[in-house]
Amino acid sequence: QQQVKQSPQSLIVQKGGISIINCAYENTAFDYFPWYQQFPGKGPALLIAIRPDVSEKKEGRFTISFNKSAKQFSLHIMDSQPGDSATYFCAASSASGSARQLTFGSGTQLTVLP
Amino acid sequence: ETGVTQSPTHLIKTRGQQVTLRCSSQSGHNTVSWYQQALGQGPQFIFQYYREEENGRGNFPPRFSGLQFPNYSSELNVNALELDDSALYLCASSLISGGNEQFFGPGTRLTVL
Repeated sequence: QQQVKQSPQSLIVQKGGISIINCAYENTAFDYFPWYQQFPGKGPALLIAIRPDVSEKKEGRFTISFNKSAKQFSLHIMDSQPGDSATYFCAASSASGSARQLTFGSGTQLTVLP
Repeated sequence: ETGVTQSPTHLIKTRGQQVTLRCSSQSGHNTVSWYQQALGQGPQFIFQYYREEENGRGNFPPRFSGLQFPNYSSELNVNALELDDSALYLCASSLISGGNEQFFGPGTRLTVL
């Protein structure tokens, strides 16, 4: 019940295209849903996050869409650029006692072709 | 503002040995979480420290232990290393216990031979 399922495992998009990555969860106690971007040899960097009381959040070219009833959320990268090529992780968290731990998806390796 | 730093960058140990990894949290952050990221997988939560005490733990055995110091820096200790402990170990800091945003360091790559 703690899992977050992410798809696709890999994604290839042309420059200027839209990249879409999907995640699904089971635990209804999750109340915070961030997306992280990770380049090889680096730690994950927080991109954008959403709470379940909002259906969509946009920051620049990055948009999270959230469907609470379906327990699904997705990341849209508009006008994808070669510099966006990285591994993207969705995550979810809930407060367990006073600790807040992140449960990550398995990651999507995005390649944006020039 | 100083980000999360970790040391060492890389480490090679043999099975059965013990290892200590270090993390300095982002300026002003008082909560530190540790994650293990196996190759090709997402990070998995090990434990979290707040006010120098462990206040949350994932599904990891007791040979994984930690410390947090008064300056909020932290150590991860792993005893009796196993081959499967080879991974990238990530430290993340946040502003207060229960805070949503966690900021990650670059990680320590541990190889167990």
